[in-house]
Amino acid sequence: GAGVSQSPRYKVAKRGQDVALRCDPISGHVSLFWYQQALGQGPEFLTYFQNEAQLDKSGLPSDRFFAERPEGSVSTLKIQRTQQEDSAVYLCASSSNFRGRRSYEQYFGPGTRLTVT
Amino acid sequence: AQSVTQLGSHVSVSEGALVLLRCNYSSSVPPYLFWYVQYPNQGLQLLLKYTSAATLVKGINGFEAEFKKSETSFHLTKPSAHMSDAAEYFCAVSENSGGYQKVTFGTGTKLQVIP
Repeated sequence: GAGVSQSPRYKVAKRGQDVALRCDPISGHVSLFWYQQALGQGPEFLTYFQNEAQLDKSGLPSDRFFAERPEGSVSTLKIQRTQQEDSAVYLCASSSNFRGRRSYEQYFGPGTRLTVT
Repeated sequence: AQSVTQLGSHVSVSEGALVLLRCNYSSSVPPYLFWYVQYPNQGLQLLLKYTSAATLVKGINGFEAEFKKSETSFHLTKPSAHMSDAAEYFCAVSENSGGYQKVTFGTGTKLQVIP
């Protein structure tokens, strides 16, 4: 596709519900990142995939958060038993990241705004 | 560990005035630095990046930033603000972490442009 897409754009969940957020990266991009952006804050790293391998999940705040990218393209971030503190914008980014070069730009999707009531 | 500090969570300028958004970084290795812009309800868009070549970096929409190692700064400037520049701006630093780029963002500066 032309850019990174995310769905849904907005999600309201009642506390305790499970949610699944989808990210479609730019076609052919090897690297995929998930970030959490709380209100008034910068994005904070959650997890990183290189193709289908999840190489870093150090930013996931609890074991209620789970991410997958089974075929190395589309990724899903799942949050189980949502809590109010999970309310945030969840951003997905992809990068061609050939050989892990730091200069490679990350292309961001529009984000999913999750509100837990 | 790397970090970024953005001074001023809100900056207001008059249309046509100079824009100056401040960013200081901390990095254990020579940094790669970025400025991103975020418009309401949109993702982040790259404005410019410093990758150890020229210290003065020119980006899109007339923005530029100067890398100053002695001051550990990477301030963003634009000579003349336009109404369309109103947005939130994020400074970021990248370091290699196990073969991929791990990016740390600042807390952002909201730019208001007054007509």
